Amino acid sequence: DTGVSQDPRHKITKRGQNVTFRCDPISEHNRLYWYRQTLGQGPEFLTYFQNEAQLEKSRLLSDRFSAERPKGSFSTLEIQRTEQGDSAMYLCASSKQGYEQYFGPGTRLTVT
Amino acid sequence: GQQLNQSPQSMFIQEGEDVSMNCTSSSIFNTWLWYKQDPGEGPVLLIALYKAGELTSNGRLTAQFGITRKDSFLNISASIPSDVGIYFCAGPPYNAGNNRKLIWGLGTSLAVNP
Repeated sequence: DTGVSQDPRHKITKRGQNVTFRCDPISEHNRLYWYRQTLGQGPEFLTYFQNEAQLEKSRLLSDRFSAERPKGSFSTLEIQRTEQGDSAMYLCASSKQGYEQYFGPGTRLTVT
Repeated sequence: GQQLNQSPQSMFIQEGEDVSMNCTSSSIFNTWLWYKQDPGEGPVLLIALYKAGELTSNGRLTAQFGITRKDSFLNISASIPSDVGIYFCAGPPYNAGNNRKLIWGLGTSLAVNP
């Protein structure tokens, strides 16, 4: 039984570059969430998928951010033209029908 | 945006001591979740609570869903060094609808002195 996996675990990029992160949820989970977390804060909701449909996006998700879940399985989060303020931990979680969300290990993004 | 209030912000205790922390909201929650996060890792779900007054245990951890539905409590008995980490409460806001979006507290940081 594998949990949620995320790739890469760490990413260092220069300002202005594009980055893409991948999340593989628990296989039978149809709901997938992306969060962003900065030091000293709890996770902040970014977006949510039910199967392949993106049902909600936070206003935190600017036009430079896009997320996909093309076949209702894995998901990608892309950040275009990265800025230093994008430096954070990006967390992916999945769930079945209830509120219990299971998180991956996160991708730590550092924008220099 | 809406946020849960966690108290205390941090704790430094001796190994073997019991720990209590709480989470409060100005609005009603129907579900309370408690997570633990180690440095550089994602949060791990510890306990889920679904009914006012509910008391649920997971090993040395016990959590309660407050009667007012605006608070929840987490207790850790006989702390050990691996209890070190940040404990978060989370729950769906009243207007979450169908999306299961969670609101999070800022966490309680626990340090255990061996």
